[in-house]
Amino acid sequence: GAVVSQHPSWVICKSGTSVKIECRSLDFQATTMFWYRQFPKQSLMLMATSNEGSKATYEQGVEKDKFLINHASLTLSTLTVTSAHPEDSSFYICSARSPGIGANVLTFGAGSRLTVL
Amino acid sequence: GIQVEQSPPDLILQEGANSTLRCNFSDSVNNLQWFHQNPWGQLINLFYIPSGTKQNGRLSATTVATERYSLLYISSSQTTDSGVYFCAVERGFGNEKLTFGTGTRLTIIP
Repeated sequence: GAVVSQHPSWVICKSGTSVKIECRSLDFQATTMFWYRQFPKQSLMLMATSNEGSKATYEQGVEKDKFLINHASLTLSTLTVTSAHPEDSSFYICSARSPGIGANVLTFGAGSRLTVL
Repeated sequence: GIQVEQSPPDLILQEGANSTLRCNFSDSVNNLQWFHQNPWGQLINLFYIPSGTKQNGRLSATTVATERYSLLYISSSQTTDSGVYFCAVERGFGNEKLTFGTGTRLTIIP
């Protein structure tokens, strides 16, 4: 089945630094990927839709200069948290639609837990 | 936007018990998925079920699209069933966003 790989699984960084999270579709091509954010004991909130070869579409209230998204190839999307602060600490999860018959089914990466000190 | 409410928010059961989780949504949908989020955060797709009934082992799901709800049934619960169950819906086909429900936290006690 479709596999989405996310890296790193967890990262700790100092306040003010930038952190990059990678999301790869391992056995299929994904023209669109989705980035979600999840705070402890809460649901997943969509941050942005990543489109291969074009600009990402951000949800209302998400700072595009803060959360930079690049979808440079059909198998890789990256999320960079710039000038991270403690309030950016969260669980970030990416997803992609698998092709073919199950095109409406989203497959999720394992998530990246970010802690900003 | 579309609203997705799940009930109950928390459920604690003895191993071997059966349970029913509910997902209500506020608008017509063309995509509905049930997920299990394990303690490490990984989301596992359980069912793609915009309508009808499906079964997979001890789990089954039913979506009544005209009445805007879906049910997830778990029979003979095991401790490994513990975690958070989410339903997520999408109104259109293609690249519209998937909106997640509020979740049900299930704890199975040995």
